[in-house]
Amino acid sequence: QSALTQPASVSGSPGQSITISCTGTSSDVGGYNYVSWYQQHPGKAPKLMIYDVSKRPSGVSNRFSGSKSGNTASLTISGLQAEDEADYYCCSYAGSSTLGVFGGGTKLTVL
Amino acid sequence: EVQLVQSGAEVKKPGESLKISCKGSGYSFTSYWIGWVRQMPGKGLEWMGIIYPGDSDTRYSPSFQGQVTISADKSISTAYLQWSSLKASDTAMYYCARITGWFDPWGQGTLVTVSS
Repeated sequence: QSALTQPASVSGSPGQSITISCTGTSSDVGGYNYVSWYQQHPGKAPKLMIYDVSKRPSGVSNRFSGSKSGNTASLTISGLQAEDEADYYCCSYAGSSTLGVFGGGTKLTVL
Repeated sequence: EVQLVQSGAEVKKPGESLKISCKGSGYSFTSYWIGWVRQMPGKGLEWMGIIYPGDSDTRYSPSFQGQVTISADKSISTAYLQWSSLKASDTAMYYCARITGWFDPWGQGTLVTVSS
């Protein structure tokens, strides 16, 4: 099972919006509404930011939103803040035999 | 508070065995799947496998089948990840996480270093 495809890096200035894409196949992203997104700061454990494509856990800023179209999911961060600088990973369920697959990760730089 | 606390960092030699742990608290440990995730140095996250502590139903990602063993002791709310013969390529940070369709929360991670 190949990893989901994410851009290696994205950047934006404070206050701007950015979108990170996550492309898979009809066997994972396109086949299930079980896409989640994780934020990881250096030396820290990942943190859940979005689940079930577009749902936000309690405590996560509403500046974070998720969506999906076909085999591509997206994470949008609006009103960029310095603290948003981190690595972001998407994850999708991929069936009972494969379980799931992560994206390769995207490094977000806030300029 | 739902929490997963992992065992401490390990330094091992190639060929040695190892078992690391992940203790859950603040919720019904037997009612949720626990997953293990590998992160090699400077690399991304990889889904290794999952276990349902209620009945020890265990499933592995194809890449990790036969390479590791996942187990759980529900009497002490603890899941395990073990190797019978470590390789240098097993050097990585290993995370456990509760699964509810997504990974949340995560343990703090256990760094495993395998070096001669």
